[in-house]
Amino acid sequence: QQQVKQSPQSLIVQKGGISIINCAYENTAFDYFPWYQQFPGKGPALLIAIRPDVSEKKEGRFTISFNKSAKQFSLHIMDSQPGDSATYFCAARNSGYALNFGKGTSLLVTP
Amino acid sequence: NAGVMQNPRHLVRRRGQEARLRCSPMKGHSHVYWYRQLPEEGLKFMVYLQKENIIDESGMPKERFSAEFPKEGPSILRIQQVVRGDSAAYFCASSLPGSEQFFGPGTRLTVL
Repeated sequence: QQQVKQSPQSLIVQKGGISIINCAYENTAFDYFPWYQQFPGKGPALLIAIRPDVSEKKEGRFTISFNKSAKQFSLHIMDSQPGDSATYFCAARNSGYALNFGKGTSLLVTP
Repeated sequence: NAGVMQNPRHLVRRRGQEARLRCSPMKGHSHVYWYRQLPEEGLKFMVYLQKENIIDESGMPKERFSAEFPKEGPSILRIQQVVRGDSAAYFCASSLPGSEQFFGPGTRLTVL
């Protein structure tokens, strides 16, 4: 069963706009929530991650918002650029090690 | 400063053949993970290994799949008697204990 549900499946944003990707989870034992960026033909690369003791984390143009009570977290990409066009995966992990990935969001930023 | 290395990058096998996928972790990393990515899907955990030990193989199919991480050399994911449904991208990741996982570029397996 899919432990992490991600939406939307695809997203088109104009250059300079805000890209928002949402994820939801059920397992309250999850305590680490990373986002990965994957370009075609490449492996996933860690973009930003958050733990549930904070509600927001910002790194440059990338922000994670975390809502523990709703069991949801989201990625915001501010001032989106064509170079941000990629597939984004959210993931969640409990105190163990296996990452549980969402199905991915294909982001296209148009010039 | 080499990252996680995987080879081959592309592998074509006919049904019934064996596939061997190799993963060299980042320098100093003793923890290796294998994930499988089917088209239009996220990555699915397969197995977690430390040197000479399989820690968790709960995501591995019960038959035909095996993994090892010997004391010397790369980690190997082995698929015997491949079938068309095994066609996927297989990613290896490595980490320090309890730390962030770094992914390799993947091996894309095609079964004819």
